[in-house]
Amino acid sequence: QKEVEQNSGPLSVPEGAIASLNCTYSDRGSQSFFWYRQYSGKSPELIMFIYSNGDKEDGRFTAQLNKASQYVSLLIRDSQPSDSATYLCAVNRGGSYIPTFGRGTSLIVHP
Amino acid sequence: GAGVSQSPSNKVTEKGKDVELRCDPISGHTALYWYRQSLGQGLEFLIYFQGNSAPDKSGLPSDRFSAERTGGSVSTLTIQRTQQEDSAVYLCASSYQPSYEQYFGPGTRLTVT
Repeated sequence: QKEVEQNSGPLSVPEGAIASLNCTYSDRGSQSFFWYRQYSGKSPELIMFIYSNGDKEDGRFTAQLNKASQYVSLLIRDSQPSDSATYLCAVNRGGSYIPTFGRGTSLIVHP
Repeated sequence: GAGVSQSPSNKVTEKGKDVELRCDPISGHTALYWYRQSLGQGLEFLIYFQGNSAPDKSGLPSDRFSAERTGGSVSTLTIQRTQQEDSAVYLCASSYQPSYEQYFGPGTRLTVT
């Protein structure tokens, strides 16, 4: 089992819909969780980070963490074509300062 | 404020030459990371600095790769005797403290011909 798993997609949603991106991780001791957005040909850009179980909201983005089930999700409300990108999940295992990145999910928001 | 900067943005070199890639982290960030991303691939961790020390260099692919950080700030990644398989985008990231969120620079695209 890979340490951090994401569905590669592409996930295609219509403009205005909610996009739901999921990430599972294998180490129960993981403590820090991050979502990055990467446009084609660009570097990753931090969107959200979450440390505690539950939801964390920032504008149109909501990160959801469930440590018991070992998954973290990113919801994008009112999706826009400009949200079309690859979304990377990163997880810091307990005791490690090196985050493990998933391979990313490609999101396509079509008008 | 200023983000992470990297130079050069693009580098084309001949096989066998040495190259130096530079990273300027966000001021005050103690942790600095180097990654490599090949076309269509995920992020590959190379090395991590805390201050000027490199507690984890486990991701360096071979002894042709080395890195240093001086003054707790600027870092240089050096690749000696470049090979075609070294062609990739080299990304630098910094964080205020280890395990905190990372901020990435724009990357250096290295092409070895």
